[in-house]
Amino acid sequence: GIQVEQSPPDLILQEGANSTLRCNFSDSVNNLQWFHQNPWGQLINLFYIPSGTKQNGRLSATTVATERYSLLYISSSQTTDSGVYFCAAVDNYGQNFVFGPGTRLSVLP
Amino acid sequence: ETGVTQSPTHLIKTRGQQVTLRCSSQSGHNTVSWYQQALGQGPQFIFQYYREEENGRGNFPPRFSGLQFPNYSSELNVNALELDDSALYLCASSLLQGAEAFFGQGTRLTVV
Repeated sequence: GIQVEQSPPDLILQEGANSTLRCNFSDSVNNLQWFHQNPWGQLINLFYIPSGTKQNGRLSATTVATERYSLLYISSSQTTDSGVYFCAAVDNYGQNFVFGPGTRLSVLP
Repeated sequence: ETGVTQSPTHLIKTRGQQVTLRCSSQSGHNTVSWYQQALGQGPQFIFQYYREEENGRGNFPPRFSGLQFPNYSSELNVNALELDDSALYLCASSLLQGAEAFFGQGTRLTVV
């Protein structure tokens, strides 16, 4: 099955800084999503992005399906951006998400 | 439009007991998946239901079982609980297989 890797595993930023999170996947994908897991455990949808580029406020994401990677950009970070960011993919043969190990982001005031 | 809701939010059980977790899918979503998330790890796929039929299963033993009802809500049942079953259990629903999925807030299960 598909393998999903994320980098970096941990990231510490000062408020206002920008960051880029990376997700590599090993096979063609039918679905790719980015999530933010809040301190209470809920996975919040950020982007549904099997290909292309999307933007939502301070966040944007790009997936280059032919090169099997996706990037999540966070600009002007805020303390409320802290938490774990997961990339999850569904390959063309499966129906379930395979999650990466996550990137733990800490934004300091 | 209501989102995905799970109940209960927290649960403590004793080793060897049985537990049932519940999930109401987002309105109109006929596909429900369950995931187990151990502390410090990413969620792991348990199984998926599509129109009341199991449609895929991850590497979990048969004591993990489920149901989907005609209104597309779902249950996850775990028999003979073990200490390692302590985890956050997440339910996700989607309109179609492979379409954008939405997660509930999870049920945190502690087995003592």
